[in-house]
Amino acid sequence: GAVVSQHPSWVICKSGTSVKIECRSLDFQATTMFWYRQFPKQSLMLMATSNEGSKATYEQGVEKDKFLINHASLTLSTLTVTSAHPEDSSFYICSARRSKGYGYTFGSGTRLTVV
Amino acid sequence: AQSVTQLDSQVPVFEEAPVELRCNYSSSVSVYLFWYVQYPNQGLQLLLKYLSGSTLVESINGFEAEFNKSQTSFHLRKPSVHISDTAEYFCAVSDRNNNDMRFGAGTRLTVKP
Repeated sequence: GAVVSQHPSWVICKSGTSVKIECRSLDFQATTMFWYRQFPKQSLMLMATSNEGSKATYEQGVEKDKFLINHASLTLSTLTVTSAHPEDSSFYICSARRSKGYGYTFGSGTRLTVV
Repeated sequence: AQSVTQLDSQVPVFEEAPVELRCNYSSSVSVYLFWYVQYPNQGLQLLLKYLSGSTLVESINGFEAEFNKSQTSFHLRKPSVHISDTAEYFCAVSDRNNNDMRFGAGTRLTVKP
């Protein structure tokens, strides 16, 4: 149990376009989901905490108008990178928290390349 | 807030040798501790976790970690590694409310034949 599906696994887009990444909890309800960004050979950087039915909480330095997060249901959170630029190219990972003490279940990640 | 320090960014070892990946944490409250493994271009997979009870926790693939409260450590060990263990390993800590998980910088384990 506790499976998180992230889609797409990779995407290439042109500068100026927007890209949507989906994160779904397949067999449990996740009131809280998290979005991370990972640069090559580095750790995960928490971008925002997504709470179902409310606005996301963004970490300091993360542009909320740039990275739009929507958590409309207990099983789906989306991250939209708006007006993407090459510097937005990165590996984005979502995770969902099942319940206290369960740790986080991670999606398989999305490799975004902006050209 | 809690924090995690992984003391080694890279650990190269030969196949069938023992390995220890070090992790120290800092927190003013009681915590949960986790080790995750990441293979290239993939998300993180939970390897093992300490919640309470026995301070020695084990995974199904031979890894183990021991919670040492006095040394605020949660080192990961395996007595004999395989080529397939080559990956990035992340130590993580969260408070007991599980509201905020923090990750270490990661340790790249490379197992050589």
